Amino acid sequence: AQKVTQAQTEISVVEKEDVTLDCVYETRDTTYYLFWYKQPPSGELVFLIRRNSFDEQNEISGRYSWNFQKSTSSFNFTITASQVVDSAVYFCALSGGPPNFGNEKLTFGTGTRLTIIP
Amino acid sequence: ETGVTQSPTHLIKTRGQQVTLRCSSQSGHNTVSWYQQALGQGPQFIFQYYREEENGRGNFPPRFSGLQFPNYSSELNVNALELDDSALYLCASSNPRGVPMNTEAFFGQGTRLTVV
Repeated sequence: AQKVTQAQTEISVVEKEDVTLDCVYETRDTTYYLFWYKQPPSGELVFLIRRNSFDEQNEISGRYSWNFQKSTSSFNFTITASQVVDSAVYFCALSGGPPNFGNEKLTFGTGTRLTIIP
Repeated sequence: ETGVTQSPTHLIKTRGQQVTLRCSSQSGHNTVSWYQQALGQGPQFIFQYYREEENGRGNFPPRFSGLQFPNYSSELNVNALELDDSALYLCASSNPRGVPMNTEAFFGQGTRLTVV
């Protein structure tokens, strides 16, 4: 069975501070994909990143960075110099098997509500 | 915007009634997945449709059923509604077999269902 744990239920930081959202996963699949989604109050899940299990390189996209460590089954997400617009609920998700087989069921964590205080 | 549209945006139903939710997938996407998101929880996978056939199902009872049409739009039907069915229902479309491979699932804004 697959499981995603986001232990941080809520985080509040002052604008311009850096913040890291933790994600720990469990899976028996040898090939899997990890995702982060952002959910603003409108409800739509906004795709942020996908990593496959064979690529442990960290990734940076603007103020966002992701640290994938297979040894600890973690896929953490850092926002640098946070802004009020970053306030949202962030979900980490896992899919088993190569997504291109049409079986990319996503298992989500319970989410972390991030509030950026002006 | 992702190009995935869901209707209606909000809905109130009475326990025991039936409901149909609709989803138009993004252009070029042939796979639609449905998720249920209870308040304060992460989305839970209900089922997925690929080319009009069910292609995987989560831990939901048979009163949750779906359809996918030739234009790849989809419906989620829930019979005999229960109070616990109150949730945000999200539709996601993807084209996992596309060229170039596009494995991301793009979500709609969801339908908020309240059962009273």
